[in-house]
Amino acid sequence: KQEVTQIPAALSVPEGENLVLNCSFTDSAIYNLQWFRQDPGKGLTSLLLIQSSQREQTSGRLNASLDKSSGRSTLYIAASQPGDSATYLCAVESSGTYKYIFGTGTRLKVLA
Amino acid sequence: NAGVTQTPKFRILKIGQSMTLQCAQDMNHNYMYWYRQDPGMGLKLIYYSVGAGITDKGEVPNGYNVSRSTTEDFPLRLELAAPSQTSVYFCASSPTLRGAGISPLHFGNGTRLTVT
Repeated sequence: KQEVTQIPAALSVPEGENLVLNCSFTDSAIYNLQWFRQDPGKGLTSLLLIQSSQREQTSGRLNASLDKSSGRSTLYIAASQPGDSATYLCAVESSGTYKYIFGTGTRLKVLA
Repeated sequence: NAGVTQTPKFRILKIGQSMTLQCAQDMNHNYMYWYRQDPGMGLKLIYYSVGAGITDKGEVPNGYNVSRSTTEDFPLRLELAAPSQTSVYFCASSPTLRGAGISPLHFGNGTRLTVT
């Protein structure tokens, strides 16, 4: 059974810092991993998708890496801004299941 | 395209009542999902469907039922509502074709349900 964990649960940083969010999964047989952003009271917005054959994906100030063998993904946010404040969720699709299992999320607050 | 549309946005139910949460997508996606999100938590998969007429249980299916008679619609039925079902419910859809650059999961804006 796939289990997904995110550390830390909450993070508060001053504006301008580079930061790393972590996502761990127990079953390395994954099809892809996706990172989402969720603003309070809102739905989920897709940020980055990493296929199982890829090592990383980049979009603007965001970079996501994937290490299947160790069951880990990291989301790197460069030069953080107050507008980055949100909850960040990772979701894993295990091979052959068509199901996405979500982590518990990291609540990020970037202070001006 | 409207994407994934969920109705209603908010609902208050009394214990023991029943209701159906509606979800529709206009992207011709075969895969559809229902998740619930409790306060401060991640999303838990309730049910999912890989195509019309095919549904399967997720992580937390008890107390819910689904049907998928068309590609577009995937309603979630709550029978005998309980306070433990107070949550935000999200519907999502995904295309069959996957690959680099194709974002698989598209979410609706959620339905906030309170059972008292």
